[in-house]
Amino acid sequence: TQLLEQSPQFLSIQEGENLTVYCNSSSVFSSLQWYRQEPGEGPVLLVTVVTGGEVKKLKRLTFQFGDARKDSSLHITAAQPGDTGLYLCAGLTLTDSWGKLQFGAGTQVVVTP
Amino acid sequence: DAGVTQSPTHLIKTRGQQVTLRCSPISGHKSVSWYQQVLGQGPQFIFQYYEKEERGRGNFPDRFSARQFPNYSSELNVNALLLGDSALYLCASSEGPRAMSTEAFFGQGTRLTVV
Repeated sequence: TQLLEQSPQFLSIQEGENLTVYCNSSSVFSSLQWYRQEPGEGPVLLVTVVTGGEVKKLKRLTFQFGDARKDSSLHITAAQPGDTGLYLCAGLTLTDSWGKLQFGAGTQVVVTP
Repeated sequence: DAGVTQSPTHLIKTRGQQVTLRCSPISGHKSVSWYQQVLGQGPQFIFQYYEKEERGRGNFPDRFSARQFPNYSSELNVNALLLGDSALYLCASSEGPRAMSTEAFFGQGTRLTVV
């Protein structure tokens, strides 16, 4: 069972279009991370958001952390075929001695030329 | 610098067998975490080790065990394999057990197929 719910599960768009992926949870996290995973590879960290309401931009990617630190969104402007991949959000829960990442099921994004 | 390395990359086992997967963290990283990613799902946390001690465990049966060596490399063992254990097993490396927020780096994974 995934603690974080991502939507949509699958997204197919044309090059140049915009897209938004959502990540929602009923839990509060210390931080939330977004990863992109290619087939047969491990996830690669794109960004970490920590503060409620935080917005981070990474070239054409914009990440937002909800005010209550329970949800997040990823917006891609003018998508390119190289943006194709599985986008995963992960919430970090910290204790005194360790930290655990809990992942959503992912959103498969396909950008066609 | 080498990233997180996992071996083997692919493995086929028969039900009931045992398997050992290996992970070498990034140089200087002392914490290793293991994740299981079943097809169509996100990674699920299995274990975290730091300085050879288990710091955290996910909701997995006792058939799953792990250890960390003095050089910080780690092994994940799964006994009495079931078909449902077929998955991509990922290892993540970080400097410390609470440093996952900015310093978690994943290996390419080991694809385990149980037949």
